[in-house]
Amino acid sequence: GIQVEQSPPDLILQEGANSTLRCNFSDSVNNLQWFHQNPWGQLINLFYIPSGTKQNGRLSATTVATERYSLLYISSSQTTDSGVYFCAVRSNDYKLSFGAGTTVTVRA
Amino acid sequence: GAVVSQHPSRVICKSGTSVKIECRSLDFQATTMFWYRQFPKQSLMLMATSNEGSKATYEQGVEKDKFLINHASLTLSTLTVTSAHPEDSSFYICSAREVSRSYNEQFFGPGTRLTVL
Repeated sequence: GIQVEQSPPDLILQEGANSTLRCNFSDSVNNLQWFHQNPWGQLINLFYIPSGTKQNGRLSATTVATERYSLLYISSSQTTDSGVYFCAVRSNDYKLSFGAGTTVTVRA
Repeated sequence: GAVVSQHPSRVICKSGTSVKIECRSLDFQATTMFWYRQFPKQSLMLMATSNEGSKATYEQGVEKDKFLINHASLTLSTLTVTSAHPEDSSFYICSAREVSRSYNEQFFGPGTRLTVL
């Protein structure tokens, strides 16, 4: 199956800082999603982004499918941004393969 | 839109009992739903793919007789953990694929935390 690697595994930010999370994948994909898992375990859809760039408020994402990576940008981080960010990809079937996640801690 | 619910959110049971978890797509039809489990500080691992009106497809290493999946309608899938043991304690999450959209984004339920004593 597809291998998904996320970096860094942990990230500690001061409130107001910007950051970049990376997701590398081992094969071509039909779907790539970014999620934020909050402290209660709920996975929140951030982006559906198999290619190109999207922005939603302080968050934006870019996927370069030909080079097999995606980046998630968090700008002006807030304490509510804390949690685990997952990248998940899908190839020819409908199954999503998840990366190990990046744990983000934003300090006030 | 695209809301998925799970019930119960938390369950504690005795070893040897069976537990049923429901997953519902509230505002869309889902011919395919997925069941994941997540251990503390780990990522999500796909257990099985649930297709409406047909048998579920289980991932390698997942016991189909242990984790019974039923997808009786376009908005409901259930996971039954049979004869639960402490090692089955985990966070179980379902997702649903919205087929009406031109792409195949998955939406996740809030999860069910199972503790087996």
